[in-house]
Amino acid sequence: EAGVAQSPRYKIIEKRQSVAFWCNPISGHATLYWYQQILGQGPKLLIQFQNNGVVDDSQLPKDRFSAERLKGVDSTLKIQPAKLEDSAVYLCASSSIGGAREQYFGPGTRLTVT
Amino acid sequence: DAKTTQPNSMESNEEEPVHLPCNHSTISGTDYIHWYRQLPSQGPEYVIHGLTSNVNNRMASLAIAEDRKSSTLILHRATLRDAAVYYCILRGIQGAQKLVFGQGTRLTINP
Repeated sequence: EAGVAQSPRYKIIEKRQSVAFWCNPISGHATLYWYQQILGQGPKLLIQFQNNGVVDDSQLPKDRFSAERLKGVDSTLKIQPAKLEDSAVYLCASSSIGGAREQYFGPGTRLTVT
Repeated sequence: DAKTTQPNSMESNEEEPVHLPCNHSTISGTDYIHWYRQLPSQGPEYVIHGLTSNVNNRMASLAIAEDRKSSTLILHRATLRDAAVYYCILRGIQGAQKLVFGQGTRLTINP
């Protein structure tokens, strides 16, 4: 079974530029999550989708971050404009609806804002 | 979201058992206890979860106190590959059922 795919793996941009990350979840997983992990901290949930609807985006900085999950499969997270404090690893995860709902994480995208 | 308390770091030797503690004194009756771990430069991975009874799987065992205010993740025979940050997380059954990660315990395994 293929895991969660993310791209790019690394990205370096200057502040005020924009950037986009892509995630393809495990086939059949209805729920998709985007997390931000700052160095030395645990992951923080930014947004949770179930199919193509948003379940929780309470910690998404909506003035600069946006995310979409068209057709309920893959998803894109965008930052525009980026700030220095956005430097972090952005993790995508997916889970099925039933059972323990264990989340399967991708390898992440390491973003450096200079 | 209910909180958990874990030691910042622990150290153990290869091929010995490891007991990782977690305190969750404010746990509610419907909160599940989940454990995830994060190896260096990787995303977190699911380890185990439980509600009231002790649980075993191929990766680890989870021992849950009778009052459910604490739990222990047990790695029966640690290997170097088990060096990671281990997160103990409470997950409710209502609403979004999201995972709220704390700082976790950084486990070092000595050869």
